[in-house]
Amino acid sequence: SQELEQSPQSLIVQEGKNLTINCTSSKTLYGLYWYKQKYGEGLIFLMMLQKGGEEKSHEKITAKLDEKKQQSSLHITASQPSHAGIYLCGADGEGAQKLVFGQGTRLTINP
Amino acid sequence: DSGVTQTPKHLITATGQRVTLRCSPRSGDLSVYWYQQSLDQGLQFLIHYYNGEERAKGNILERFSAQQFPDLHSELNLSSLELGDSALYFCASSVWPWSPQHFGDGTRLSIL
Repeated sequence: SQELEQSPQSLIVQEGKNLTINCTSSKTLYGLYWYKQKYGEGLIFLMMLQKGGEEKSHEKITAKLDEKKQQSSLHITASQPSHAGIYLCGADGEGAQKLVFGQGTRLTINP
Repeated sequence: DSGVTQTPKHLITATGQRVTLRCSPRSGDLSVYWYQQSLDQGLQFLIHYYNGEERAKGNILERFSAQQFPDLHSELNLSSLELGDSALYFCASSVWPWSPQHFGDGTRLSIL
């Protein structure tokens, strides 16, 4: 079965700094999703990547799927307190019928 | 607001009891998914329904069952509850099985 490993597990950065979160899959990725979760709340959909080399941006968040389609990165530029939360990557397991999630990366932004 | 509605938000009950969690998907979404989130297991897929039919099952216990009704809302039934069933239960919906899933705010289930 497919497994996703996220790194780092937690990250503390100074406001205004850039940061990167990685998601590595044990199998080829056919659909990779990034979500953000505030503690104890629902997941907010950020972006979906499907093609190798694909890169998408939304405001100050950029996500990329590498050419070999086994790793994705999420990059935040000039971090703000509103970026704090838990970031989860999810991948299509067994033909888009369900999502398998990484364990999450807890991001803290210090003023 | 994702447009996915889950009720109730909180549920406190005792071991051995049975509960029903309800989910109303976003307007126009045909797929409904259920997930369980706990500190030790993370976010785990339970089951997926598409337009009333079961499409995929994850590590869902036999004590748990779900269904999707003709109006597309879904219910997750949990019976013979154990302490370990305490968790956040999320419902998500999408237009098609391969389109992005949008999550509700979850139901926090506490077993005493």
